[in-house]
Amino acid sequence: NAGVTQTPKFRILKIGQSMTLQCTQDMNHNYMYWYRQDPGMGLKLIYYSVGAGITDKGEVPNGYNVSRSTTEDFPLRLELAAPSQTSVYFCASSYRRVGQPQHFGDGTRLSIL
Amino acid sequence: QQQVKQSPQSLIVQKGGISIINCAYENTAFDYFPWYQQFPGKGPALLIAIRPDVSEKKEGRFTISFNKSAKQFSLHIMDSQPGDSATYFCAALSGNTGKLIFGQGTTLQVKP
Repeated sequence: NAGVTQTPKFRILKIGQSMTLQCTQDMNHNYMYWYRQDPGMGLKLIYYSVGAGITDKGEVPNGYNVSRSTTEDFPLRLELAAPSQTSVYFCASSYRRVGQPQHFGDGTRLSIL
Repeated sequence: QQQVKQSPQSLIVQKGGISIINCAYENTAFDYFPWYQQFPGKGPALLIAIRPDVSEKKEGRFTISFNKSAKQFSLHIMDSQPGDSATYFCAALSGNTGKLIFGQGTTLQVKP
């Protein structure tokens, strides 16, 4: 049972480039989330989804986009990478109500240079 | 109003001692308070959680104490072990928005 899987684990981007962070879960959870974690800070919610086809903004959505075409997958897209988006990104999922992420992936460490 | 303030930022405890991490909040709409444990290079893992109608919850060596009137809650780790060395995050869930707000984190080091 893999849980929540994130790819890639590390990535370096140039300013203005775009990329997609992948997240997939095999627990049939309806709720999925994207967080970013900056040094010395807690996690901040970027976007979340309550089911396939339904997404909503979190605390810090600017500069990101998401889609949820299946229950399993919840990719996060950066369109025009900026240095302020250098961070560690975590995907999470939960079975219970929205906001209770119980299973996190191991993160994607992203540097924008 | 959406903030969760966590202290201390770092904590060093001897093996066998008690580790205490505190959190405070302002928003009375918060109705679920989880704690997460994070090891380097890994994602956070749900450790223990409490609802505001309960003043204390214990799971093994981990206890949450909750003071609704003071809007404060804390994590106590009894008989702390070197394997407990990690970063701990408190969080609070808003029943209105469904969004989880995290504290800033506490890095715990348990010395053998």
